[in-house]
Amino acid sequence: GNSVTQMEGPVTLSEEAFLTINCTYTATGYPSLFWYVQYPGEGLQLLLKATKADDKGSNKGFEATYRKETTSFHLEKGSVQVSDSAVYFCALSDTEAAGNKLTFGGGTRVLVKP
Amino acid sequence: GAGVSQSPSNKVTEKGKDVELRCDPISGHTALYWYRQSLGQGLEFLIYFQGNSAPDKSGLPSDRFSAERTGESVSTLTIQRTQQEDSAVYLCASSRYGTLVPDTQYFGPGTRLTVL
Repeated sequence: GNSVTQMEGPVTLSEEAFLTINCTYTATGYPSLFWYVQYPGEGLQLLLKATKADDKGSNKGFEATYRKETTSFHLEKGSVQVSDSAVYFCALSDTEAAGNKLTFGGGTRVLVKP
Repeated sequence: GAGVSQSPSNKVTEKGKDVELRCDPISGHTALYWYRQSLGQGLEFLIYFQGNSAPDKSGLPSDRFSAERTGESVSTLTIQRTQQEDSAVYLCASSRYGTLVPDTQYFGPGTRLTVL
C-alpha cells in the first residue's frame, strides 16, 4: 500500500534560517505529491504540489522537487519567518486509482523564533 | 467563491450517543472526502464520494461510522454509539474531479469531536 514518512518534529529555527523537512514515500502507482500546511487554529491549506517526476512545486518561498529515483519530496525554504510557524504535512494521492484519496505523513511541527 | 464549510465546529458528546457532522463542499466540486485527524493516528482517510457512484468506504474504522451525500451537495458523517477513541478532528475536503486525474483537495476547518 501507499505510505508517507516525514521527519518528526518539532523543528525549532531562528528567523531567516534555512528550513528542510524530509519526506519520502512508497506508492504502487504514479502518485501526485503535496505539501499541506496547518497554521495554529486554522484548517489544512495546500502549500504546493507536483504531479510528475522532476516537477518542482513552489509557493510562498517554499519549494519541493518530485524525485522518483529517491522517492522523495523534501520541502525547503531559504529564509523562514515567524509566520511560517505551523505543522507541515507531506501527502500523496495515487492517480492510478479512482478517488485520489490522500495518504498523509505524520506531520512536522515547525517553530520559528524571532 | 466560498470554501468548504463544516458544522458544528465543536461537538462534545457523551459516550454511547450518536452524532452527526455536516459538510458543505465547494460548489461544482464532484468529489467529497472525509478524513480524521487524531493524536494517535495522524490524518487518515475515511470515505470518498464521487458524483452518483458508490462511495469508497474503505477507510471507515467500524460499522458505527456511516456517511451520506445527496448528489454533489451536502454530506453528513454519522457516528453511532460514540466511544472515547472517536474523539478527533473530522475534516471534510472537496475537489473538482476526484478521479484518475491529478487533482487538488480543499479542506474545511474541521469539526472537533470530544467524547466524554
